[in-house]
Amino acid sequence: GENVEQHPSTLSVQEGDSAVIKCTYSDSASNYFPWYKQELGKGPQLIIDIRSNVGEKKDQRIAVTLNKTAKHFSLHITETQPEDSAVYFCAASEGLGNQFYFGTGTSLTVIP
Amino acid sequence: GAVVSQHPSRVICKSGTSVKIECRSLDFQATTMFWYRQFPKKSLMLMATSNEGSKATYEQGVEKDKFLINHASLTLSTLTVTSAHPEDSSFYICSPFQGPTEAFFGQGTRLTVV
Repeated sequence: GENVEQHPSTLSVQEGDSAVIKCTYSDSASNYFPWYKQELGKGPQLIIDIRSNVGEKKDQRIAVTLNKTAKHFSLHITETQPEDSAVYFCAASEGLGNQFYFGTGTSLTVIP
Repeated sequence: GAVVSQHPSRVICKSGTSVKIECRSLDFQATTMFWYRQFPKKSLMLMATSNEGSKATYEQGVEKDKFLINHASLTLSTLTVTSAHPEDSSFYICSPFQGPTEAFFGQGTRLTVV
């Protein structure tokens, strides 16, 4: 089965700096890679995703890059704000209704 | 994004009783529903996958008789924790599958068994 690893487990940055979270996966059949933000006591919320036919995707301050050859993908948050503080999960899926495999999460703290 | 309603958000129950958690997809039909369990500061662990009108498929180590899943319609799935014990205390999250790839999540249910 798929194995998704995520680093770092905790990350603290100063407000305005960038944050980068990295994930690797093992199953070359995975072709869909979403990122979720989870605030305390709430369910995960999709913030950005990327499919295997794309190498990079950007949405305002958030970007995701994918390297299929190396089987890793990364989340980049620029100009971080205190409200970006949360736990972020990466995931991998083969799509078409198959289950999602989640990384272990990164607790991001943005220091004002 | 899709609207998913999960309730209750918090429930406290006595040991030995049963608790039902509902998950509704409000603006789309979900042929597949994933149920996850999340321990404090841990990732989401898939418990079971259900398809509308058929029996759920449980992950290894998940007791199907303890965690009853009903996916009777394309917009509603329920998870019932039967004869709950303190070790069942956890955060449970549903995820209706919209397709072709995206999944959305309910707000989660914090279950505390005392």
